[in-house]
Amino acid sequence: EPEVTQTPSHQVTQMGQEVILRCVPISNHLYFYWYRQILGQKVEFLVSFYNNEISEKSEIFDDQFSVERPDGSNFTLKIRSTKLEDSAMYFCASRGLAGGELFFGEGSRLTVL
Amino acid sequence: AQSVSQHNHHVILSEAASLELGCNYSYGGTVNLFWYVQYPGQHLQLLLKYFSGDPLVKGIKGFEAEFIKSKFSFNLRKPSVQWSDTAEYFCAVKKGGSSNTGKLIFGQGTTLQVKP
Repeated sequence: EPEVTQTPSHQVTQMGQEVILRCVPISNHLYFYWYRQILGQKVEFLVSFYNNEISEKSEIFDDQFSVERPDGSNFTLKIRSTKLEDSAMYFCASRGLAGGELFFGEGSRLTVL
Repeated sequence: AQSVSQHNHHVILSEAASLELGCNYSYGGTVNLFWYVQYPGQHLQLLLKYFSGDPLVKGIKGFEAEFIKSKFSFNLRKPSVQWSDTAEYFCAVKKGGSSNTGKLIFGQGTTLQVKP
């Protein structure tokens, strides 16, 4: 069964550093998403991406964040100048043209020290 | 703005007990509804979904959910839980129709612990 893969599974970084989280969506999917889950809190929408541009973003997704699909297979989330409160599990998801179901990756745990 | 509320944060059951997890949403338009499960150390997996038609939907592993439009609810049920159902359960809502971005709004999750 095709799946969404994310790397790294866990990253520890110092406050102020830049982090890039990588995702390989399911190959024929066209819609891509990033969500995050701070420990003990709900899964929060960050951004959606379609046709090589952001289609929607949340209030959380400010100038500190950016997304890119550099090569037609990877979908990356860049977090600049990380803060302690960026510590969370970040989930990538993708969706095909029909069906509406999102397929999630296993998540990347980010720990900012 | 859309929101999703799950009433139970932590549920503890014995094996063979029946399960019902509550989920309510706030959005007046057409919605698509989902229940996802996250087993320990694993990714979010779809249990079941409702788009249209029969409001009682059946999912994997014996789970079902009923969409009650008048109550804005989509409660998850299972007649007899197993130890392997221990996981976190998330209700999620998406605006219906193909013209939106397809983002899901999640509830805060319910941790289910099944005692053998």
